Amino acid sequence: KQEVTQIPAALSVPEGENLVLNCSFTDSAIYNLQWFRQDPGKGLTSLLLIQSSQREQTSGRLNASLDKSSGRSTLYIAASQPGDSATYLCAAKRVNRDDKIIFGKGTRLHILP
Amino acid sequence: EAGVTQFPSHSVIEKGQTVTLRCDPISGHDNLYWYRRVMGKEIKFLLHFVKESKQDESGMPNNRFLAERTGGTYSTLKVQPAELEDSGVYFCASSQDLVAKNIQYFGAGTRLSVL
Repeated sequence: KQEVTQIPAALSVPEGENLVLNCSFTDSAIYNLQWFRQDPGKGLTSLLLIQSSQREQTSGRLNASLDKSSGRSTLYIAASQPGDSATYLCAAKRVNRDDKIIFGKGTRLHILP
Repeated sequence: EAGVTQFPSHSVIEKGQTVTLRCDPISGHDNLYWYRRVMGKEIKFLLHFVKESKQDESGMPNNRFLAERTGGTYSTLKVQPAELEDSGVYFCASSQDLVAKNIQYFGAGTRLSVL
């Protein structure tokens, strides 16, 4: 059974700092891994999706890595801004491409101005 | 192009009442998923439609929950009768059936409060 864990549950950092959010999963047989952002009262916004054959994806100041063998993924945010404050969710999809997504509980990020 | 829309955005009902949540997927998306997040827990899968057929309903908590997708377009999730533990945020997502990509696009969710 796939379980996704995110550490830390909450994080506060000063504006401008680089930071790393961690995600671990118990079953390495994944189809892809996705990082989402959720703002209060809003839906989930997909930030980055890494296919099982890939090791990382980049979008602007965001970089996500995937290490299937160790069951880990990281989301790196460079030069953090107050607008980055949100809850970040890591989610793994099982090997069947149409299968459900297993979510972690998320990391609540607060960027201090 | 409109995204996944959910209605209502927030519903407050009393224990024992019935509530129906609606999801309109992105046009042309055959796959439709329901998820929910109860307080303090992670978002969990409820069920998956492919067009009008239930592909996987292993996440449905009990028989008080009924999901339908008549005609393979919008979907409804009915909770009858609602219990206190049903409170949470219910998300809907949709995706195309492509080999290369199967990204699920999420709606804003319906926040359900059962009093």
